[in-house]
Amino acid sequence: DADVTQTPRNRITKTGKRIMLECSQTKGHDRMYWYRQDPGLGLRLIYYSFDVKDINKGEISDGYSVSRQAQAKFSLSLESAIPNQTALYFCATAGTGTNEQFFGPGTRLTVL
Amino acid sequence: QKEVEQNSGPLSVPEGAIASLNCTYSDRGSQSFFWYRQYSGKSPELIMFIYSNGDKEDGRFTAQLNKASQYVSLLIRDSQPSDSATYLCAVTGSGGYQKVTFGTGTKLQVIP
Repeated sequence: DADVTQTPRNRITKTGKRIMLECSQTKGHDRMYWYRQDPGLGLRLIYYSFDVKDINKGEISDGYSVSRQAQAKFSLSLESAIPNQTALYFCATAGTGTNEQFFGPGTRLTVL
Repeated sequence: QKEVEQNSGPLSVPEGAIASLNCTYSDRGSQSFFWYRQYSGKSPELIMFIYSNGDKEDGRFTAQLNKASQYVSLLIRDSQPSDSATYLCAVTGSGGYQKVTFGTGTKLQVIP
């Protein structure tokens, strides 16, 4: 069984639509992250959360919002999708006080 | 100057040779250093981490850290075609949050 799961794995949507990407983990980790990966730009942090009541913006949070529904669940929303949000999105987790991150399988999002 | 720099490659080595992957970082206060392997279309997988100057060995992998030179490397001995992937260097910053910054990765090709 996968420790970190993401749904959906692939999504094609249109400009202006609201999209939610979901992440669940069974590792018991407190820390959860959302990244996007673009060719040539590497992994860039969107939001991170160190516990249910702690949510912080990363380097590219504009146009995104998140919700930490439980220790094991962290969702990323695109309120009004635009084409330059087309990317590969990864959720990651880490244990308390550590930075060793474990990644989910990713969601490939295409905004037309 | 980028916070974490890697040569994008591709780095081509023959099967059985030693592959040497290099990474430099700009934050002199960085404390933790990670190497991730990412196969095409897959998520990053943590393969090594190192916190202290010197070498750390795990199987065919050796991570080397030189904080004075702000340099971290990954050596892969007896390279196999299955090692062909992109290798991401990640470094934590010196701030309170210890943000993890990823390099853009070096693509390794092991030629049979």
